[in-house]
Amino acid sequence: QQQVKQSPQSLIVQKGGIPIINCAYENTAFDYFPWYQQFPGKGPALLIAIRPDVSEKKEGRFTISFNKSAKQFSLHIMDSQPGDSATYFCAASIIQGAQKLVFGQGTRLTINP
Amino acid sequence: NAGVTQTPKFRVLKTGQSMTLLCAQDMNHEYMYWYRQDPGMGLRLIHYSVGEGTTAKGEVPDGYNVSRLKKQNFLLGLESAAPSQTSVYFCASTKGRYNQPQHFGDGTRLSIL
Repeated sequence: QQQVKQSPQSLIVQKGGIPIINCAYENTAFDYFPWYQQFPGKGPALLIAIRPDVSEKKEGRFTISFNKSAKQFSLHIMDSQPGDSATYFCAASIIQGAQKLVFGQGTRLTINP
Repeated sequence: NAGVTQTPKFRVLKTGQSMTLLCAQDMNHEYMYWYRQDPGMGLRLIHYSVGEGTTAKGEVPDGYNVSRLKKQNFLLGLESAAPSQTSVYFCASTKGRYNQPQHFGDGTRLSIL
C-alpha cells in the first residue's frame, strides 16, 4: 500500500515533443505529490508538486495532471529541450511523525536534439 | 549558502568494515532524512530525524544507525558493511512537517567489496 508505481522506466523524445511520465498509488492517506528532477552526479531537486484537491498544476513548461478517483498522476513536459534530459521521480507524501516521501522507481528521460 | 553537504562523495569499503557518512545543512531545518538509491528502486528512506537529539526508523533501517547530536548534522553509520549496502546515499532536509520540499545533497557513492 505504500508503493508508488512509475512508468515508463526510460523515455526518448525528440526536441519539442511532449514526454509524459505516469505514476499510480494505492494509499489514500497520501496528501502531497511532488516530482523531483535528478541530473547525473547530483541529488534530486523539487520540480513541481500538487495536492490531491487540485486536478492540474502548471509551472512553466511542466504540468502535473492528477486523477484522485483513479489514484494516478502524471508529469507532462511541453516543448521539451535537450537540457530536460534527466531522471524524473514521482513521489507521494504521508505524515507519520514527519513528512515521509515514497518514491517511484524513476524515469530516465532523453531529449534528442 | 551551501544547502545540504554530504561527505565523503565516494568511498570503497571491504565487507565488515565500518564507516560514518556525514550530512550537514545550513538552512536551520528541523527535519533530516537519509535515503539510499538503487537502480530501478527509486529512493528508499533509511532513517529520519524530527529534531536535534531525535531519530526514527524508515523503510529500510537494518544495518544502519544514525545520530543527530547537533541540529545541523545528521550522521549515518554502517557498523559492519555488507555488499548489499552498496548504493548511493542521499541526505535531505526540510523546514517543516507539511508539504515542504525536501532539499537533497549530492550523494555519497559507496561500494562494499
